[in-house]
Amino acid sequence: QSALTQPRSVSGSPGQSVTISCTGTSSDVGSYNYVSWYQQHPGKAPKLMIYDVSKRPSGVPDRLSGSKSGNTASLTISGLQAEDEADYYCCSFAGSSVVFGGGTKLTVL
Amino acid sequence: EVQLVESGGGLVQPGRSLRLSCTTSGYTFGGYALSWFRQAAGKGLEWVGFVRSKTYGGTTEYAASVKGRFTISRDDSRSIAYLQMNSLRTEDTAVYYCGRSNGYFFDYWGQGTLVAVSS
Repeated sequence: QSALTQPRSVSGSPGQSVTISCTGTSSDVGSYNYVSWYQQHPGKAPKLMIYDVSKRPSGVPDRLSGSKSGNTASLTISGLQAEDEADYYCCSFAGSSVVFGGGTKLTVL
Repeated sequence: EVQLVESGGGLVQPGRSLRLSCTTSGYTFGGYALSWFRQAAGKGLEWVGFVRSKTYGGTTEYAASVKGRFTISRDDSRSIAYLQMNSLRTEDTAVYYCGRSNGYFFDYWGQGTLVAVSS
């Protein structure tokens, strides 16, 4: 199972919006509405931010939103804040396995 | 409060074995699947495998990179999951995380334990 494709880095200024794409195939992202997104700060464990494509766990601000079209999922963060600077990973169910994206480093300028 | 704590990491020689534990608390362990992940230094997350709850047979699935070498098991009476790693290779060096599987996502993670495979 190949990794999902994410941009290596994105950046934005405080208050702006950024979108991180996550491209898979018809065997994973395209076949299931089971895409999740994780935030990871350096030296810390990943934290769930979005699940089932667009649902937010309790405590995650509504500045974060997820969507999917075809084989590509997206995470949008609006109203960027300094604390959003982190690595972000997408993840998809793929039948009897799970596949992650390579990760995107978000820099808040 | 849901908590997961990994233990058992360390330095091991290539070809040897190591068993990691994931000790959980704060939720009904038997009602959820449990997954293992790893992350090599400076690299992305990699799914290693999971064990389903006994409701779903307690069966396991593995990534191709570890299938046949790694085994995941669970002890519902103690709320602990295990990752038995055999025939370790240098490329297995990573921080290993366990995570609670809730449907098709992972809502709670441990802090990780470092496994270093080197001669």
